[in-house]
Amino acid sequence: SYVLTQPPSVSVAPGQTARITCGGNNIESKSVHWYQQKPGQAPVLVVYDDRVRPSGIPERISGSNSGNTATLTISRVEAGDEADYYCQVWESNSDHPMVFGGGTKLTVL
Amino acid sequence: QITLKESGPRMVKPTQTLTLTCTFSGFSLRATGVGVGWIRQPPGKALEWLALIYWNDDKRYSPSLKSRLTITKDTSKNQVVLTMTNMDPVDTATYYCAHRPRLYNSLDYWGQGTLVTVSS
Repeated sequence: SYVLTQPPSVSVAPGQTARITCGGNNIESKSVHWYQQKPGQAPVLVVYDDRVRPSGIPERISGSNSGNTATLTISRVEAGDEADYYCQVWESNSDHPMVFGGGTKLTVL
Repeated sequence: QITLKESGPRMVKPTQTLTLTCTFSGFSLRATGVGVGWIRQPPGKALEWLALIYWNDDKRYSPSLKSRLTITKDTSKNQVVLTMTNMDPVDTATYYCAHRPRLYNSLDYWGQGTLVTVSS
């Protein structure tokens, strides 16, 4: 089955830019979705179809996808951005169609 | 406004069967392309997709759990039910249901989750 690889942790100071990567074989051929999960809460979709923000998600959050790496970028990081972030893809012809990455803990220093 | 809520037992014994119900509002599972999925998360660990059911009753399962899972829908009640047989302590997790939108293979609305503990 398809594997998505995320760094376990990313740390960034307030006001700086955080980049969270999601690696997968030829991932650029897939649509990548990103979720934010704060402690004790359900995940929230923050980017879908590589780069589209759902309503209510700030413009500081953006997504990109190229080659073997998709990236979630959070600009002007705030304390409230501290959370776990998961990437996800769908493999239509796979026996394991919905795949999540292992998650990345974003720490705001 | 789309909402989903999971319900079911908080604790089951090893070897028992878990039955979870997702009750939703704000959308219809008769709408083309729409689906409802189940995802779980063991304490302190990552999300794991379990199953998905579509408007047309097409069903997909995680291959590692396929033999233990059954997903069904009752469109008249706006409910999706997940059963998992032969529960084990490693199945202790928060179980979420979520809405799969018509056009994208993402999960755009999630329930609050329900913690299920497997213990004798």
